[in-house]
Amino acid sequence: EAGVAQSPRYKIIEKRQSVAFWCNPISGHATLYWYQQILGQGPKLLIQFQNNGVVDDSQLPKDRFSAERLKGVDSTLKIQPAKLEDSAVYLCASSSQRPETIQETQYFGPGTRLLVL
Amino acid sequence: SQKIEQNSEALNIQEGKTATLTCNYTNYSPAYLQWYRQDPGRGPVFLLLIRENEKEKRKERLKVTFDTTLKQSLFHITASQPADSATYLCALAPGGAGRRALTFGSGTRLQVQP
Repeated sequence: EAGVAQSPRYKIIEKRQSVAFWCNPISGHATLYWYQQILGQGPKLLIQFQNNGVVDDSQLPKDRFSAERLKGVDSTLKIQPAKLEDSAVYLCASSSQRPETIQETQYFGPGTRLLVL
Repeated sequence: SQKIEQNSEALNIQEGKTATLTCNYTNYSPAYLQWYRQDPGRGPVFLLLIRENEKEKRKERLKVTFDTTLKQSLFHITASQPADSATYLCALAPGGAGRRALTFGSGTRLQVQP
């Protein structure tokens, strides 16, 4: 079974520029997450999708970040305009458990390393 | 506010010894707790899950305990090997339907010396 795919793996941009990240979850996984991981910290949730609907985006800085999962499969995360503090690894994860179940395992992609200069 | 604490200092142990990592949390009532391993340049990899009504879980050389009274989980690796060197993250999740996302601690880096 193929894992979670993310691209690009690395991106360097200047502040105020725009950037987009792409994620393709494991086939059949209905739930998709985007996390931000700043160096030395654990991943922090940005947004959670169930199929193509948003379940939780309470920690997404909506003035500059946006995400979509139009067909309920792959997803894109965009930052516009980027700030220096957005330098981090952006991780995509997916899981197959349905929302009414309790336990789940999340499968993470390799992440996209963003450096904002 | 909710807080998850893991020892930020690296844990250095000798090969063959048991590594014990700690995860403490406050202002949180998790339905379950998970432990993940993260290697440099890679995403976290799931290791073990333990529910709030379970005291202990084992998988090969790994053991997790969960004390909801102390609000603490301990993660043990027995007979540690240099290949176990990595950062270990604990993550908590709420119960109920809907939001499923995990809240992660900052991780503890384990270094196993040969």
